[in-house]
Amino acid sequence: EAQVTQNPRYLITVTGKKLTVTCSQNMNHEYMSWYRQDPGLGLRQIYYSMNVEVTDKGDVPEGYKVSRKEKRNFPLILESPSPNQTSLYFCASTSGGPGELFFGEGSRLTVL
Amino acid sequence: QKEVEQNSGPLSVPEGAIASLNCTYSDRGSQSFFWYRQYSGKSPELIMFIYSNGDKEDGRFTAQLNKASQYVSLLIRDSQPSDSATYLCAASGGSYIPTFGRGTSLIVHP
Repeated sequence: EAQVTQNPRYLITVTGKKLTVTCSQNMNHEYMSWYRQDPGLGLRQIYYSMNVEVTDKGDVPEGYKVSRKEKRNFPLILESPSPNQTSLYFCASTSGGPGELFFGEGSRLTVL
Repeated sequence: QKEVEQNSGPLSVPEGAIASLNCTYSDRGSQSFFWYRQYSGKSPELIMFIYSNGDKEDGRFTAQLNKASQYVSLLIRDSQPSDSATYLCAASGGSYIPTFGRGTSLIVHP
């Protein structure tokens, strides 16, 4: 089954405690991206990757890091989480244009 | 600042009616336009995309694009309660950063 898998799905953490949200896709897609979704603000892109070892900033990259060492994986790293990073995060991938996205199920993160 | 504007709704329509969802965009360089459906608590799902002026039909869904007016719409014919969801409009131009609207909530009541 074609899918984008994110883990963890739910996480409560404390300010400053480094965390990683993993994302894996089994569709051999070259393009992957991370979004956060906040009430009233919609979906905003954090980072995207065109291929292995190629990453670039989206609209809201501050406080986040990513890496793309393998085609299937695109982890999102929060080195020192802060409460304003409390959000619903989505990983997405596509073999087509950057707007034709296949989303993961989402990871709800709460930073206390 | 690239923006995609949508009325947040909710838009309420009776079952069997046509639901009309609208979206405007600010970036004239936008070339591709997308409609996503997002059920409560779920991830967005791509339901339509359109690149050229005019209409594009897929089953009960019709996407309409007017680049001169910078306007995109989604029509849902014979609306069903299962169509109740938030519909996100997105626009993509020369960059790899598509811009999403905040979504319109649609309620289809029996």
